[in-house]
Amino acid sequence: DIVMTQSPDSLAVSLGERATFNCRSSQSVLSRSNNKNYVAWYQQKSGQSPKLLIYWASTRESGVPDRFSGSGSGTDFTLTISSLQPEDVAVYYCQQYYSTLYTFGQGTKLEIK
Amino acid sequence: EVQLVESGGGLAQPGWSLRLSCAASGFTFSSYEMTWVRQAPGKGLEWISYIKNTGSTTYYADSVRGRFTISRDNAKNALYLQMNSVRAEDTAVYFCARGGEDGSYTRYWGQGTLVTVSS
Repeated sequence: DIVMTQSPDSLAVSLGERATFNCRSSQSVLSRSNNKNYVAWYQQKSGQSPKLLIYWASTRESGVPDRFSGSGSGTDFTLTISSLQPEDVAVYYCQQYYSTLYTFGQGTKLEIK
Repeated sequence: EVQLVESGGGLAQPGWSLRLSCAASGFTFSSYEMTWVRQAPGKGLEWISYIKNTGSTTYYADSVRGRFTISRDNAKNALYLQMNSVRAEDTAVYFCARGGEDGSYTRYWGQGTLVTVSS
């Protein structure tokens, strides 16, 4: 199974500042056939279902504010919020869908400093 | 509008069976792969099962393989999770989820149904 490891476990950032989330996979999730990285990022606010933010490592989901961006390739991936807003407080998860067991990272909790 | 509505959760004793259902609407159900994801109280997301759009292929996490069975009825726009021999560690909110148009990321999620396993 591919293990997804997120860092840090929690993050406190001031409003308007940048928030950076890291995710590392235990093996490459880059497909040589289509040159795509099989990584998605989700946001889960308290008491809600998760929401898709990013897929194919860097494609922003429709309706997601452009302050959210994804990057990385192979085994190392990053989700960035360029300017933190109050509504961004949530837990953020990465997921790989490269192998048949679509594992999630353990999550990173984002708070306002 | 895509809607996924789970049902069938509740309180079960260890060793019991439960069947979760997910009613899908707002899209061509037979065209999409579906998954079940669960979340134990205060914990992270755990992917547990996948089914291809035709129902011909299924996958399971190690934690549920051999005890849980995913299935679908494309004529009824319904997804199911048969849970046998449940354990205390199966206590969680179970989410029904739909894949994307071009990949197995999860574009849509249901609101979840709570399963509590306790004696």
